[in-house]
Amino acid sequence: DAKTTQPTSMDCAEGRAANLPCNHSTISGNEYVYWYRQIHSQGPQYIIHGLKNNETNEMASLIITEDRKSSTLILPHATLRDTAVYYCIGSNQGGKLIFGQGTELSVKP
Amino acid sequence: NAGVTQTPKFQVLKTGQSMTLQCAQDMNHNSMYWYRQDPGMGLRLIYYSASEGTTDKGEVPNGYNVSRLNKREFSLRLESAAPSQTSVYFCASSEYYYGQGGYTFGSGTRLTVV
Repeated sequence: DAKTTQPTSMDCAEGRAANLPCNHSTISGNEYVYWYRQIHSQGPQYIIHGLKNNETNEMASLIITEDRKSSTLILPHATLRDTAVYYCIGSNQGGKLIFGQGTELSVKP
Repeated sequence: NAGVTQTPKFQVLKTGQSMTLQCAQDMNHNSMYWYRQDPGMGLRLIYYSASEGTTDKGEVPNGYNVSRLNKREFSLRLESAAPSQTSVYFCASSEYYYGQGGYTFGSGTRLTVV
């Protein structure tokens, strides 16, 4: 499974877009990029995943670079409830999810 | 639907005691997982079960055993608890192991070993 690198922490103003970067330069061709978040003391929550194409769902958008070495999770209109630790994980179809340290996102009023 | 249910939510054990953490899912998922999370750290995989009848070690299996009782239930046993096993334990499930789906996590069991 690919090693991922994320900033330790980020701030975002309420109502603005939150753009969370992830570097996965060692990702292989069959590995998906998954994003999860963990709100304090709760179990992690699945957000989105993708392989090559950009993806969008009701929670977020995922932009993957053409060379697949990095990606960005976009929360289009961040709210205070989006304050959480966000995990970027690279995993192939036969692999387990291995969590790193993640990015602690603080949404401020 | 309840999703993934873990019991108990809180537990205090004395060193050397044993206990079993229970996990059940009602989504007809094939794969189930046990993670632990220590303060200020990410989640680490203890054991997983890709399908009913199979179990495999994850990153940190020492001191633990698991049982996939049926498709719904996956239990984690501590035979002789140690203070180093003080942690929050999360169970998760997914539709397929070899697949694209996301994991659904339970709300966790907070275990303290004194």
